[in-house]
Amino acid sequence: EAGVAQSPRYKIIEKRQSVAFWCNPISGHATLYWYQQILGQGPKLLIQFQNNGVVDDSQLPKDRFSAERLKGVDSTLKIQPAKLEDSAVYLCASSLTLTNYNEQFFGPGTRLTVL
Amino acid sequence: AQSVTQLGSHVSVSEGALVLLRCNYSSSVPPYLFWYVQYPNQGLQLLLKYTTGATLVKGINGFEAEFKKSETSFHLTKPSAHMSDAAEYFCAVSVAGGGNKLTFGTGTQLKVEL
Repeated sequence: EAGVAQSPRYKIIEKRQSVAFWCNPISGHATLYWYQQILGQGPKLLIQFQNNGVVDDSQLPKDRFSAERLKGVDSTLKIQPAKLEDSAVYLCASSLTLTNYNEQFFGPGTRLTVL
Repeated sequence: AQSVTQLGSHVSVSEGALVLLRCNYSSSVPPYLFWYVQYPNQGLQLLLKYTTGATLVKGINGFEAEFKKSETSFHLTKPSAHMSDAAEYFCAVSVAGGGNKLTFGTGTQLKVEL
């Protein structure tokens, strides 16, 4: 079974530039998550999708971050414009459903450096 | 809201020694508790989870954890450390009806020395 795929693996941009990350979840997984992991901290949930609908985006800085999952499969996370404090690893995860303690499977992440 | 505290951001053990990584949680409702491992440049992998029932949970790679409600703890142990156990370990919590969302601790970097 293929795991969660993410691209690119690394990205370096200057502040105020835009960047986009792509995630392909495990086939058949209805729930998709984007996490932000700042160096020295645990992952923090940014947004959660169930199929192509947003379940929770309360921690997403909506003035600069956006995400979509138009066909209920792949997802894209965008930052526009980027700030220095956005430097982090962005992790995508998926699970079969959003029912209790359903295992989340994580991709390798995209490491973003904002200069 | 629930939270997790991991005591010790760095733990160092000798190969063959006991591994003990500490996790305390805070939750107003019964929690579900998880331990994940993250190897360099990789995503997180589930080691084990506690949902209900037996409080001693066994996971992959010889790890286990015990849920202690009276101490609000879920410490991770392994009797004998191996070099391949060197990684970062995260404790996480979720709750029933919470949409399967995880709240993570800040992580513990485990170093295994010869």
